[in-house]
Amino acid sequence: QVQLVESGGGVVQPGRSLRLSCTASGFTFRTYAMHWVRQAPGKGLEWVALISYDGSNTYYADSVKGRFTISRDNSKNTLYLQMNSLRPDDTAVYYCARGIYGSGSYKHLDPWGQGTLVTVSS
Amino acid sequence: QSVLTQPPSVSAAPGQKVTISCSGNTSNIGNNYVSWYQQLPGTAPKLLIYDNNRRPSGIPDRFSGSKSGTSATLGITGLQTGDEAEYYCGTCDSSLSAYWVFGGGTKLSVL
Repeated sequence: QVQLVESGGGVVQPGRSLRLSCTASGFTFRTYAMHWVRQAPGKGLEWVALISYDGSNTYYADSVKGRFTISRDNSKNTLYLQMNSLRPDDTAVYYCARGIYGSGSYKHLDPWGQGTLVTVSS
Repeated sequence: QSVLTQPPSVSAAPGQKVTISCSGNTSNIGNNYVSWYQQLPGTAPKLLIYDNNRRPSGIPDRFSGSKSGTSATLGITGLQTGDEAEYYCGTCDSSLSAYWVFGGGTKLSVL
């Protein structure tokens, strides 16, 4: 079945870096766009970044632009999120999700991984 | 402050019907498909409605979606205690600040 598994979360000091991974299985990874979405403790969903199926196009939320980099390795069925200059307000559960594209736009996210917790604290 | 506006909470009794609204503008809902996500306590979000009004396989027909202009609505009939969850709308956005946006979420209580 289609499955996404995130890893790489943990506790990190402000200003440091962390790289998250999302390993996909059960579908042809190289033909789908992928998203990262985060959820701070007790808060709602915040879209973070999107990468096209071939990695040629990337998009970011203003809150992470210039600090985070989304990338993918289609040979390894893996999505990444490189997070630099981390701040306490980056503390959240980070989810990866498959992006469904059609009719000229990105339409919905399905499925989602189980999430990985990133805590930025000194 | 979310780009899409949802009521923070709604409630109804078991067996009743509830609707959750999602308001946006022409940069997002007005020109793109809307999807809805259900997040049960302690779990990851799950797709509930896509393409404004379509249900993925396995989602009961008690759940429905609609869109009109720059607003969308999620409807749930025959409420069950298991429907207690946070519900989010989402859509693509053509503004410069974000490519995808979510509503702030609505907590559904089944009393």
